[in-house]
Amino acid sequence: GAVVSQHPSWVICKSGTSVKIECRSLDFQATTMFWYRQFPKQSLMLMATSNEGSKATYEQGVEKDKFLINHASLTLSTLTVTSAHPEDSSFYICSARPGQKYGYTFGSGTRLTVV
Amino acid sequence: GEDVEQSLFLSVREGDSSVINCTYTDSSSTYLYWYKQEPGAGLQLLTYIFSNMDMKQDQRLTVLLNKKDKHLSLRIADTQTGDSAIYFCAVDTGFQKLVFGTGTRLLVSP
Repeated sequence: GAVVSQHPSWVICKSGTSVKIECRSLDFQATTMFWYRQFPKQSLMLMATSNEGSKATYEQGVEKDKFLINHASLTLSTLTVTSAHPEDSSFYICSARPGQKYGYTFGSGTRLTVV
Repeated sequence: GEDVEQSLFLSVREGDSSVINCTYTDSSSTYLYWYKQEPGAGLQLLTYIFSNMDMKQDQRLTVLLNKKDKHLSLRIADTQTGDSAIYFCAVDTGFQKLVFGTGTRLLVSP
């Protein structure tokens, strides 16, 4: 089945530094990938839609300069949290869909802790 | 925009059936999904149903869709302790955007 790999699984960084999270589709090509954020005991909120070869589409209220998205190939999208602060600590999950008749597959998530 | 609601908590005994309910507001929704999330993990796609279907069965899982009432349910037969997790329903708004419900925490006791 379709697999989405996300790396790293967890990361701890100092306030003010930047962190890059990778999302790869392993056995299919994904022209579109999605980045979600999940706070403890809450649901998932879509942050942005990553489009291969073009700019990402950000949801209302999401700072595009804070959360940089790059989708340079059909199998890789990256989310960079720039100048991270403790309030950016969260669980970030990416998703992609092999085709219209398939469900959305999610990565295993990245737990970011900013200290 | 789309609003998706779920009950927050369900507790059952091992061997019983579990029914997790979900309501949504946008009648133009195309695909409706059920995901399972274990602690500290990503989301596992359990099953999904297209909006022109009323029911879908996959082993222990049965999905029922009532489009008139905008109600979706997931029934887990013979629930096991390993089924304890948070279950999210999600609705595809047709613009490649998934809107998630609040999640239902299922606790299965021996």
